[in-house]
Amino acid sequence: LAKTTQPISMDSYEGQEVNITCSHNNIATNDYITWYQQFPSQGPRFIIQGYKTKVTNEVASLFIPADRKSSTLSLPRVSLSDTAVYYCLVGNNAGNMLTFGGGTRLMVKP
Amino acid sequence: SAVISQKPSRDICQRGTSLTIQCQVDSQVTMMFWYRQQPGQSLTLIATANQGSEATYESGFVIDKFPISRPNLTFSTLTVSNLSPEDSSIYLCSVARTGDSYEQYFGPGTRLTVT
Repeated sequence: LAKTTQPISMDSYEGQEVNITCSHNNIATNDYITWYQQFPSQGPRFIIQGYKTKVTNEVASLFIPADRKSSTLSLPRVSLSDTAVYYCLVGNNAGNMLTFGGGTRLMVKP
Repeated sequence: SAVISQKPSRDICQRGTSLTIQCQVDSQVTMMFWYRQQPGQSLTLIATANQGSEATYESGFVIDKFPISRPNLTFSTLTVSNLSPEDSSIYLCSVARTGDSYEQYFGPGTRLTVT
């Protein structure tokens, strides 16, 4: 079971790019990396998922180095509304994909 | 994606009673999950509820305390039985599509307070 490690919290300012790194040294060959965003009083929301290299969508980019032992969620030009908790999950359809770590609490300041 | 609703959104219950939480999905999904999230904490998986089979519970969660029903591909219930203040938490259901990896879609959660 791949354990994930993320910073507990991060601060940023509006308009900046934010990079949140997740360590997962024990990632298995068939594991995927998935990031979720959670606002207070809401369920987590899927942001992005990747297996290797780089994935980009309209919300974020996910960078995964060749050894896949870490991944970085990149949020371009954050706004106050990006203040949330961000979770990194690692696993596959065997069930490991369901374990949430501590998450990173991102605070975006004006 | 999938749209998920939960009922009730919140409730205050007395200790010793039970609360049943409903989860409704706008499309048919095989895999449904129930989580618990205590204030300020991360999510903890309670059980997996797949239609047509018994729910699978995670370590520390038992069927007598958290019975689950999954009568069809769009609906599930979680009952929290014999409530104690320690059960005060947010309970969330989620669904995932089958495939190589899980993208989960979560309901808004049910906030339970036990007095």
